[in-house]
Amino acid sequence: GGIITQTPKFLIGQEGQKLTLKCQQNFNHDTMYWYRQDSGKGLRLIYYSITENDLQKGDLSEGYDASREKKSSFSLTVTSAQKNEMAVFLCASSITGGDAEQFFGPGTRLTVL
Amino acid sequence: GEQVEQLPSILRVQEGSSASINCTYENSASNYFPWYKQEPGENPKLIIDIRSNMERKQTQGLIVLLDKKAKRFSLHITDTQPGDSAMYFCAASATSSGQKLVFGQGTILKVYL
Repeated sequence: GGIITQTPKFLIGQEGQKLTLKCQQNFNHDTMYWYRQDSGKGLRLIYYSITENDLQKGDLSEGYDASREKKSSFSLTVTSAQKNEMAVFLCASSITGGDAEQFFGPGTRLTVL
Repeated sequence: GEQVEQLPSILRVQEGSSASINCTYENSASNYFPWYKQEPGENPKLIIDIRSNMERKQTQGLIVLLDKKAKRFSLHITDTQPGDSAMYFCAASATSSGQKLVFGQGTILKVYL
């Protein structure tokens, strides 16, 4: 088995601030993902990466940057936090293949004041 | 891009009865359809999936059906228990779209005594 850790668990930012979320996995998975989940809603893909240094845009990439520094880690940057924004950011990983099970981390809850 | 519609958004059923959640997709090339369960405060976890070479799959009180002609798939939970109360997400992916899963909006299932 493996585990995905996300830091921080809670993130409070100010409007316009640049904020970075981190994700680590020890599954040795090639592919990692960042999703945004708004309260009571589905998951929307922000960015994903199929290997170290690779980056692919999802449907919600505007306003975000991402970086796959090494195979085990994938970070997400909110380039300019929006006032009153509240969401949970979920990191996931999987082996290569569109039909591979994705394993999710516990999430980072973002609140922007 | 692919869109996945999921209904209903909220489902209340009495303990012991069955619950059904329906999803439709647009991309006829979609060939993998997982279902994820997310309990309050937890991360989503895969509970069952079906590939396009099957029409029906069953495991431990869960049944998934796939109608490729209608581009529709569904999850049926038989003999619901309070522990089944959670958010459920359907998703779809196509080999041609690489690693991307597109999620439905989610269904909150509440099982009452």
